[in-house]
Amino acid sequence: DAGITQSPRHKVTETGTPVTLRCHQTENHRYMYWYRQDPGHGLRLIHYSYGVKDTDKGEVSDGYSVSRSKTEDFLLTLESATSSQTSVYFCAISALGHPNTEAFFGQGTRLTVV
Amino acid sequence: GIQVEQSPPDLILQEGANSTLRCNFSDSVNNLQWFHQNPWGQLINLFYIPSGTKQNGRLSATTVATERYSLLYISSSQTTDSGVYFCALPLYGNKLVFGAGTILRVKS
Repeated sequence: DAGITQSPRHKVTETGTPVTLRCHQTENHRYMYWYRQDPGHGLRLIHYSYGVKDTDKGEVSDGYSVSRSKTEDFLLTLESATSSQTSVYFCAISALGHPNTEAFFGQGTRLTVV
Repeated sequence: GIQVEQSPPDLILQEGANSTLRCNFSDSVNNLQWFHQNPWGQLINLFYIPSGTKQNGRLSATTVATERYSLLYISSSQTTDSGVYFCALPLYGNKLVFGAGTILRVKS
């Protein structure tokens, strides 16, 4: 199994509070991604990183920010959580950004905003 | 952007039956991945298949890139095959675009 650890695995938070989710990898892969999974939508890309301090937006980036200060860690922050951000969040890694590269996923974080 | 459609959306099988899941996509692609999400939510890589056919035990996958579809075959299904099956296509930067998934329930 790819060495990807997400923390926390479950979190309940109140509307308006900041939340940070962490993705830690031991594979030394350059590319890291955050996706969210909602019923009927499959997974959708929030943000991704193509190197330390290099990040870009995905399809559903509004309300989220990310940071990557070292290769192994990719943080996703909800500055002020809303109920629409209740979802399951997955981190993924990829050795390269080329499409001919397999991506691997962490175990997910279930976030509930009440 | 690229569109990915999976069918059927739901499938119920009796244990031991065979099934075929389909993934259609709107643009030419360099690659395609199939995933199984088990009932505990974990995403498991099944196949990484730009074209042709691959087999892994009771599962096999075929991608016909020129006709923009991929098929996932499950033979002699088992209850442990239950879950959601996703296909996903990579864009630039290996950003994946997912289909909505096929929910499979295998009954004993």
